[in-house]
This record gives sequence, structure tokens and C-alpha cells, in this order.
Amino acid sequence: DTAVSQTPKYLVTQMGNDKSIKCEQNLGHDTMYWYKQDSKKFLKIMFSYNNKELIINETVPNRFSPKSPDKAHLNLHINSLELGDSAVYFCASSQEVWSTFSNSPLHFGNGTRLTVT
Amino acid sequence: ELKVEQNPLFLSMQEGKNYTIYCNYSTTSDRLYWYRQDPGKSLESLFVLLSNGAVKQEGRLMASLDTKARLSTLHITAAVHDLSATYFCAVDMVGTSYDKVIFGPGTSLSVIP
Repeated sequence: DTAVSQTPKYLVTQMGNDKSIKCEQNLGHDTMYWYKQDSKKFLKIMFSYNNKELIINETVPNRFSPKSPDKAHLNLHINSLELGDSAVYFCASSQEVWSTFSNSPLHFGNGTRLTVT
Repeated sequence: ELKVEQNPLFLSMQEGKNYTIYCNYSTTSDRLYWYRQDPGKSLESLFVLLSNGAVKQEGRLMASLDTKARLSTLHITAAVHDLSATYFCAVDMVGTSYDKVIFGPGTSLSVIP
């Protein structure tokens, strides 16, 4: 009963290709995120969706386009892949933790290791 | 812009010893998280600290939060090899109607027998 599941786990592709990563959560959470973890393990938030609505869009190239068909799914599509896109991409979900006294952490998927050659 | 720093970034310690990892952040926040990540794995939530003076303990790990100093600590007691991992603190931005959780750079902990 995986709470946050991502597919695929590994993705190897060539520069210029377009690829998608899928994410699903079965926790009933309202908010979902995409984070990018680089080779030095720095985690950077990319996007956040709340109830299918885009809330946070960090300074991410517009080659990255998230899509949330419903609040349990948040997919990430990447156009024209570049070498610098190689990283591990983590999907996460949470309750609305901005609510006072909420102690809900972010729940992370297992990550998708993207390698662009 | 919220910045989160951790100190040290790398820590090598002997089994049985105690040590503290520090997490500083730059703007007001009243919610701080600690996560653990094993190599090649996902992030596992360790603690959620909600208010000034909050202290939580789980096994050999104890986390505390001082919101006035904008400082959290993760104290390791009598380290064992199984604690070897990367530890991240993360801070939730305050005053917004949405969540923006910013992570520190991580502390890579290696416990040597």
C-alpha cells in the first residue's frame, strides 16, 4: 500500500527528447509537490498544487510543465531535455500544513532518477 | 527569500559518541521538519516541530526548536552505525495560505564502528 508512488523509477533518455513522470498519492492529501534533488543532494522545490490548482511555481524553465488531473495525481512533463535536467525528481504530498497546529509532514515518493545523455 | 542552513554538512563520528546537528533559517517560521535519507532512497519524516521550545525524541535522536533564535538542533546520543544517513531540516514559510517547504543542504552523517 504505497502512499506516494512515482513511475518510472529510472529514466534514461537523450538530449532533446520529451518525457513524463507520473505521481499518485492515496493518502487523501490536498497538496502535492515536485522537488528536484541534484547530485549534491540539494532539494529544490519546483511546483506545488493544492486541490488541482497550481500554487507554487518556482523559477523552473517552462520546458517543465506539471499537470494535476485530480488531487491524487500530479504528473511532470519535461520537453526538450537537457543534460542539466539529470537529477532525482521527488513527488510529495501533504495535508494543508499551513493550517494552524497541523503536524503533517510531507510524504515523499521513492523518486525518479532521470539521466539525460 | 527563506534560506535554510545546516552545520556541519559532513559529520564522521564514532559509535557511542554524542553530537548535534544545527539548522538555522533566515525568516520567521513556526514549523520545522527533520528528515532522514538513506543512499538511493526516499526521504523519511523524523520529526515535526510546531512551536517555540518544542522538543521531540525518538530513540537516539532528539530534536528541538527555538523560533526566536531561528534555530533547530538534532542531537544524536550514543551513535550507532544504523544512524548513518543524510539528515535534512526543512522549514515551512509563514504567513502564506499555501505551503512552501524549503530544505536545508543536508548533513551527511557517517558513524564509524
